[in-house]
Amino acid sequence: AQKVTQAQTEISVVEKEDVTLDCVYETRDTTYYLFWYKQPPSGELVFLIRRNSFDEQNEISGRYSWNFQKSTSSFNFTITASQVVDSAVYFCALKSFGNEKLTFGTGTRLTIIP
Amino acid sequence: DSGVTQTPKHLITATGQRVTLRCSPRSGDLSVYWYQQSLDQGLQFLIQYYNGEERAKGNILERFSAQQFPDLHSELNLSSLELGDSALYFCASSVEVGHANYSTDTQYFGPGTRLTVL
Repeated sequence: AQKVTQAQTEISVVEKEDVTLDCVYETRDTTYYLFWYKQPPSGELVFLIRRNSFDEQNEISGRYSWNFQKSTSSFNFTITASQVVDSAVYFCALKSFGNEKLTFGTGTRLTIIP
Repeated sequence: DSGVTQTPKHLITATGQRVTLRCSPRSGDLSVYWYQQSLDQGLQFLIQYYNGEERAKGNILERFSAQQFPDLHSELNLSSLELGDSALYFCASSVEVGHANYSTDTQYFGPGTRLTVL
């Protein structure tokens, strides 16, 4: 069975602070894919990043960075110098090779206080 | 904009009724997925179609059905609606690539249809 845990239900930080969203996953599969999606107040789900299980290289995209650690089954997401536009619910998701569905965590609601 | 379109954006109906949600995938994508987002269940996978055929099934109720048409758009039919069916319904699409016909591609989501059952 697959499981994604986002233990942080809600986080509030002041604008320009850095913030890290945690994601821990469980799977018995050796090949799998991890994703982060953003759901702003408007409601749509926006794809942010995908990471394959065989690629543990961390990634940075502007103010966003992702830390994938297989040893701890974690795929954490850091926003540097947060902005009000970053306020949203962020979902971590897991997909195993051979399984068509995405398994989502419960999401972390991030509020950036101006 | 993901390129996935969903109509209608909002739908308000009464218990016992039937509704149809429509989804058009991104150009070139053969797979369509349906997800339900509710407060108590979170984001749950319902069903997947690939090039017109059902590929995978998740937590989809028997009152719900879906299909994918030759032009690759998909419809999700919800019948005998109950209050608990009120939710945000998402469609996603992906290109079918990978080995053994399993998709390894990213799923891109539409804006969702918010269904309210009164």
